[in-house]
Amino acid sequence: DGGITQSPKYLFRKEGQNVTLSCEQNLNHDAMYWYRQDPGQGLRLIYYSQIVNDFQKGDIAEGYSVSREKKESFPLTVTSAQKNPTAFYLCASSRQRPGGANVLTFGAGSRLTVL
Amino acid sequence: AQSVTQPDIHITVSEGASLELRCNYSYGATPYLFWYVQSPGQGLQLLLKYFSGDTLVQGIKGFEAEFKRSQSSFNLRKPSVHWSDAAEYFCAVCYGGSQGNLIFGKGTKLSVKP
Repeated sequence: DGGITQSPKYLFRKEGQNVTLSCEQNLNHDAMYWYRQDPGQGLRLIYYSQIVNDFQKGDIAEGYSVSREKKESFPLTVTSAQKNPTAFYLCASSRQRPGGANVLTFGAGSRLTVL
Repeated sequence: AQSVTQPDIHITVSEGASLELRCNYSYGATPYLFWYVQSPGQGLQLLLKYFSGDTLVQGIKGFEAEFKRSQSSFNLRKPSVHWSDAAEYFCAVCYGGSQGNLIFGKGTKLSVKP
């Protein structure tokens, strides 16, 4: 079945360490997204990519970095510059609908805890 | 700024009772509207979407939503709630020409009493 795979499901990090969250999709979607979810805050967009080798900052990109070397993969690195990285991270993908809305398919999420 | 408001943070209903979750969006041309559901520790699943046409939209799991442009609302309804409907529900909006990115509300947590 097609879908989005995020790994790891749970991740613990010491302060000052960079960590990378994996996101792989086999839906042949052009666009991929990373969201951060905190209790009572909804979803906030970190980065998105509409095409390979190109990506744009979302609303809360500071302290994060991404790459899009392959259509299927969009890893997110949480750097030591991120002040409060403990959160639930969701990856999503969609077809591109120029001028319209993108219907997102989500992965199961990765929970990062900074110790 | 464009935004989505879900006025109710937490709602509790009895199993078998009807449900309505509210969603209001800030004014904008050509809104595309969505409802997603999230079980604890999981990703989001699309319940239904409105792009155009009939303003009453049917979704999965017996849910429906009605788009009311005059009220800038897109409320989610279900006639009879099941215990398995307990989850968090997110309304989202996208405006045409905005690269298609969604703006999410902060969510409404639904609890179901036996």
